[in-house]
Amino acid sequence: GESVGLHLPTLSVQEGDNSIINCAYSNSASDYFIWYKQESGKGPQFIIDIRSNMDKRQGQRVTVLLNKTVKHLSLQIAATQPGDSAVYFCAENYRGSARQLTFGSGTQLTVLP
Amino acid sequence: KAGVTQTPRYLIKTRGQQVTLSCSPISGHRSVSWYQQTPGQGLQFLFEYFSETQRNKGNFPGRFSGRQFSNSRSEMNVSTLELGDSALYLCASSGEGTEQFFGPGTRLTVL
Repeated sequence: GESVGLHLPTLSVQEGDNSIINCAYSNSASDYFIWYKQESGKGPQFIIDIRSNMDKRQGQRVTVLLNKTVKHLSLQIAATQPGDSAVYFCAENYRGSARQLTFGSGTQLTVLP
Repeated sequence: KAGVTQTPRYLIKTRGQQVTLSCSPISGHRSVSWYQQTPGQGLQFLFEYFSETQRNKGNFPGRFSGRQFSNSRSEMNVSTLELGDSALYLCASSGEGTEQFFGPGTRLTVL
């Protein structure tokens, strides 16, 4: 079946650098995408979302880019901090599926001092 | 506003037993979704309840069931536990918008 997947399982960046986490999705009917951050022992925490009628959305230190042509989603974190170390998941939702989210496999981001 | 709460946080059961997990959504939220998280399969959707009705269901066997009460609190039940049911079970609640707020999860270990 169609699913959301991440390109890299791990990513290490220096503190202060920018991070880019990528995600590929295959369900062309998906119209809503979300990035979650999950720290050890906690549930996923919402970071930012984007709808399919947009190609870019910015939050505080984070930017999500959506390329529907190649079905690619990315999360950019500016000036990465130690507190950003976590597993990041992308998730998709398509119209008619209510609150059912399909999650990617996750990327472990490690911020190096 | 209090977040999503899940009880218990940790649970150990043996094969063949059954288990009930509880989720209290954020006040005012009427939608509650359940997910299973395992290292091998990642986060997988189990089901969603809205106003006491199951609105959506993932691809899990009938041993997994749930319900929602009039106060929006939800429970999920797993009968005849198998070793592969060991996982972190996450509950998420939603209000009028599409954003889902997750609880800390219940860590179930099946021995």
